Amino acid sequence: AQSVTQPDIHITVSEGASLELRCNYSYGATPYLFWYVQSPGQGLQLLLKYFSGDTLVQGIKGFEAEFKRSQSSFNLRKPSVHWSDAAEYFCAVGSGGSYIPTFGRGTSLIVHP
Amino acid sequence: NAGVTQTPKFQVLKTGQSMTLQCAQDMNHEYMSWYRQDPGMGLRLIHYSVGAGITDQGEVPNGYNVSRSTTEDFPLRLLSAAPSQTSVYFCASSSPDRVGNTIYFGEGSWLTVV
Repeated sequence: AQSVTQPDIHITVSEGASLELRCNYSYGATPYLFWYVQSPGQGLQLLLKYFSGDTLVQGIKGFEAEFKRSQSSFNLRKPSVHWSDAAEYFCAVGSGGSYIPTFGRGTSLIVHP
Repeated sequence: NAGVTQTPKFQVLKTGQSMTLQCAQDMNHEYMSWYRQDPGMGLRLIHYSVGAGITDQGEVPNGYNVSRSTTEDFPLRLLSAAPSQTSVYFCASSSPDRVGNTIYFGEGSWLTVV
């Protein structure tokens, strides 16, 4: 069975600082990987996704993520955080045979001015 | 472009009452699903459907019922509401494509059971 671990429940950064949110997955074959963002009181928005090819994936809002098979990781990065990036971030893993991806528990990003 | 539409957005129920959360999508997606979101628990899958007439249980199905009579609609029924069902509920739809099943979410339904 596939699973996702987001080891950090909360991350606090200063505005303008760089950001890395960690995601580790468990799946036997090559997974499909996703990052979603949820602003307070809102639904979930897809930031980026990976299924094959270039292991560095560019997404919306200046985010990128890198797939590292050897580490079973798909960490999300942003070089300079803006106050509007404060939100909950979810990593998810799927597969060709799995109709519904599995989500991690989320990481809450707090941005200090 | 409506996407995934959930109603109601907010609801307060008394213990033991029943209700239905409605979900509709206009993207002709085969797959639809219901999640609940609780603090510190992320999104947990309640039920899902891979097409009209086909449903299956997810991680936390107890106390909930679903049906899929059309491609567009996937209602979630609470049979006898309990305080433990106080949560935010998200409906989602997806369709398999070359980059996997990208899920599109509704805006959520906030349910309080008192």
